[in-house]
Amino acid sequence: DIVMTQSPDSLAVSLGERATISCKSSQSVLYSSNNKNFLAWYQQKPGQPPKLLIYWASTRESGVPDRFSGSGSGTDFTLTISSLQAEDVAVYYCQQYFTTPFTFGPGTKVDIK
Amino acid sequence: QVQLVQSGAEVKKPGASVKVSCKASGYTITSYNMHWVRQAPGQRLEWMGWINAGSSNTKYSQKFQGRVTITRDASANTAYMELSSLRSEDTAVYYCARGMGSDQWLVRVKDYWGQGTPVTVSS
Repeated sequence: DIVMTQSPDSLAVSLGERATISCKSSQSVLYSSNNKNFLAWYQQKPGQPPKLLIYWASTRESGVPDRFSGSGSGTDFTLTISSLQAEDVAVYYCQQYFTTPFTFGPGTKVDIK
Repeated sequence: QVQLVQSGAEVKKPGASVKVSCKASGYTITSYNMHWVRQAPGQRLEWMGWINAGSSNTKYSQKFQGRVTITRDASANTAYMELSSLRSEDTAVYYCARGMGSDQWLVRVKDYWGQGTPVTVSS
């Protein structure tokens, strides 16, 4: 199985400041045939199901604010919230969909400082 | 609009089975893959398996192979996940989630999720 790790476990950022979350996979999730990274990011607020933010490592899902951006390739990825808003308090998960079982990272909790 | 509405909370004894339903509205269930994901208390999300939109073929995580069965009823526009031989470690919230339909790879990405069904396994 591909093992996903995230850092940090949690972070607190002031409103309007940048939040950066790292995600690493134990093997590359870059598919050579289409040159795409099979990596998604989800946001989960307490008591709610996860919400898709980004797929293909950097493609924002429809309706997701442009302060959320994804980057990276191969085994190293980053989710950036450029200007943290109060409604962004949540746990963020990365997930690889390169091969089954599709595995998730342990999550990063984002809070307001 | 797309909605996935799951059945209510369950409490089961060890060794029993549980069957969770996921009723779709706003789209036809045979047009999109359906995934099942669970989240145990304090744990990361865990993919259990999926059912293919067109063929009804299923693919399960090896971890659950032999214990999980994913099915669907097209007439009811509903998907089901049954987990057998329950143990305390199966206590979790179980989610159904629709695979995006735009291409053969994006079916692996989950764009709409049910509200979750808590399952408690306790003697």
